[in-house]
Amino acid sequence: SQQGEEDPQALSIQEGENATMNCSYKTSINNLQWYRQNSGRGLVHLILIRSNEREKHSGRLRVTLDTSKKSSSLLITASRAADTAPYFCATAPDNTDKLIFGTGTRLQVFP
Amino acid sequence: NAGVTQTPKFQVLKTGQSMTLQCAQDMNHEYMSWYRQDPGMGLRLIHYSVGAGITDQGEVPNGYNVSRSTTEDFPLRLLSAAPSQTSVYFCASSYEGPFYNEQFFGPGTRLTVL
Repeated sequence: SQQGEEDPQALSIQEGENATMNCSYKTSINNLQWYRQNSGRGLVHLILIRSNEREKHSGRLRVTLDTSKKSSSLLITASRAADTAPYFCATAPDNTDKLIFGTGTRLQVFP
Repeated sequence: NAGVTQTPKFQVLKTGQSMTLQCAQDMNHEYMSWYRQDPGMGLRLIHYSVGAGITDQGEVPNGYNVSRSTTEDFPLRLLSAAPSQTSVYFCASSYEGPFYNEQFFGPGTRLTVL
């Protein structure tokens, strides 16, 4: 079974608004990663946050991690139409060499 | 660098046929993996390899074989294709594996089994 569940499954917003996606997982992890799926080009890595980190920023992206609640969130600020894509969280569980993906959030940003 | 390359981009098979999906990377990455993505779902791990000569099973390994004879290549074999294997297949690689690094993905192979 998949490690992560994402919420919401789909999100529609207007350009300029902020988009927040949430990810919950089941087991203890070494790190959590967020990816975006580009059409025809597979997945692209966005941010990796380690289990001893609580928040990380990259440009318009902000990721938080709460290991006590086994959850993470991805915030995209000032969204653009070009941000439209599916977004996935993925966890690297402790003591494994695996990366397990969640079910994804489909983000639609309207101009 | 070409990054992670996958061939073919599209493939149609009949039930019972066999084929090999190719994956290659030119970044000298030790870790490579295969995922499948079904409509509306996330990626599920099929097999992975932490280095040449070493492979292990992921979440959904049944019906698939892998081998890793070189650092660069990680082919995925379907021995007897079934309609349930219709999916998009992604190969990924990283220097040390997801415990340490982000993954680099190939563009995918869309497989249809009739």
